[in-house]
Amino acid sequence: AQSVTQPDIHITVSEGASLELRCNYSYGATPYLFWYVQSPGQGLQLLLKYFSGDTLVQGIKGFEAEFKRSQSSFNLRKPSVHWSDAAEYFCAVGAGGTSYGKLTFGQGTILTVHP
Amino acid sequence: DGGITQSPKYLFRKEGQNVTLSCEQNLNHDAMYWYRQDPGQGLRLIYYSQIVNDFQKGDIAEGYSVSREKKESFPLTVTSAQKNPTAFYLCASSIQGVPNTEAFFGQGTRLTVV
Repeated sequence: AQSVTQPDIHITVSEGASLELRCNYSYGATPYLFWYVQSPGQGLQLLLKYFSGDTLVQGIKGFEAEFKRSQSSFNLRKPSVHWSDAAEYFCAVGAGGTSYGKLTFGQGTILTVHP
Repeated sequence: DGGITQSPKYLFRKEGQNVTLSCEQNLNHDAMYWYRQDPGQGLRLIYYSQIVNDFQKGDIAEGYSVSREKKESFPLTVTSAQKNPTAFYLCASSIQGVPNTEAFFGQGTRLTVV
């Protein structure tokens, strides 16, 4: 069975500092990987996705993620955090096939940004 | 604008009652999904449907039921058999048969048992 682990429940950074959110997955085949962001009481917005090809993926809002097969990781990074980035972030792995919404999610990482 | 509409945003239910959460999409997506979100547990899949009149159980289907009579609608019923229904429920949809796409999510319904 596939699984996703986000080791950090809560991360606090200062505005302008760099950010890295960790994600480790377990999946038997080539995974489909996603990062979503959620503001309080809201739905999920896709930040970026990886299916194949270039292992460094660029997303919206200045985020990027790197797929490392040897480490089973898909960490999310941003060089300079803005106060508006405060939210909860979810890493997810897809089941493959054609149902791209059939996902296994990590527990989420809450990001707090200090001014 | 195309999107997914969940209603109501907040829902209160007495113990022992069934309640139905609405999910409508105008994205012309074939597949629809229901997830449950609890603090610190991420999202867990309840049910999904890849085509009209067909649906499959997800990881936590017990105490829930769904129907898919129309392509754009995928209502979720939380039955009295669900032991701990208080949670945030998210509906999603995705296109089928197109590679490298993703799921789109609604704004959620917060259900509270009182």
